[in-house]
Amino acid sequence: DSGVTQTPKHLITATGQRVTLRCSPRSGDLSVYWYQQSLDQGLQFLIQYYNGEERAKGNILERFSAQQFPDLHSELNLSSLELGDSALYFCASSQDQGGQQETQYFGPGTRLLVL
Amino acid sequence: TQLLEQSPQFLSIQEGENLTVYCNSSSVFSSLQWYRQEPGEGPVLLVTVVTGGEVKKLKRLTFQFGDARKDSSLHITAAQPGDTGLYLCAGEQGNNRLAFGKGNQVVVIP
Repeated sequence: DSGVTQTPKHLITATGQRVTLRCSPRSGDLSVYWYQQSLDQGLQFLIQYYNGEERAKGNILERFSAQQFPDLHSELNLSSLELGDSALYFCASSQDQGGQQETQYFGPGTRLLVL
Repeated sequence: TQLLEQSPQFLSIQEGENLTVYCNSSSVFSSLQWYRQEPGEGPVLLVTVVTGGEVKKLKRLTFQFGDARKDSSLHITAAQPGDTGLYLCAGEQGNNRLAFGKGNQVVVIP
């Protein structure tokens, strides 16, 4: 158990819909990262938040957005869903004390299926 | 285009055999990490290599970082069924951002 929790574990929805994925980082971790994992693209970095502020953006679509709340939990919002958005979405957290090679701890993921 | 290429994509071996998988890039990384991911779970960090030429051992797993810090290999000695999983390499791009390869799927047959 990494200490990172994600809900829901599975999500089935239809094209055009909007969903929200939730992540609670490990106690004491200030950084939250979101990743998308699909068979053809592998694990792709989407976005990072640090202590409530956006820190880095990766391959995140404009239809997707995220935020980190004062209690440090984070939500990833996916809208106007397309079939190709079906994937595993992982959240990871780290202490991010300014050093390099910090360990990122991954949650169990949310499996999204868009029909 | 994938920043990190992992090969082979899939490898199936008998218990007790040795195997080596590779992670290659044209980019230089300040550090490179190896993760193992099992079905239904998130990736779990195995090791971080930082110095060019560095070799790290974790029980029967040996990780090597290339001299130019562009590539890495993972060697498993006397593989066990518990070694089955998706092995992911990730290069640090700064500010703890990681670029992942697509992974090496390893299956160890009892």
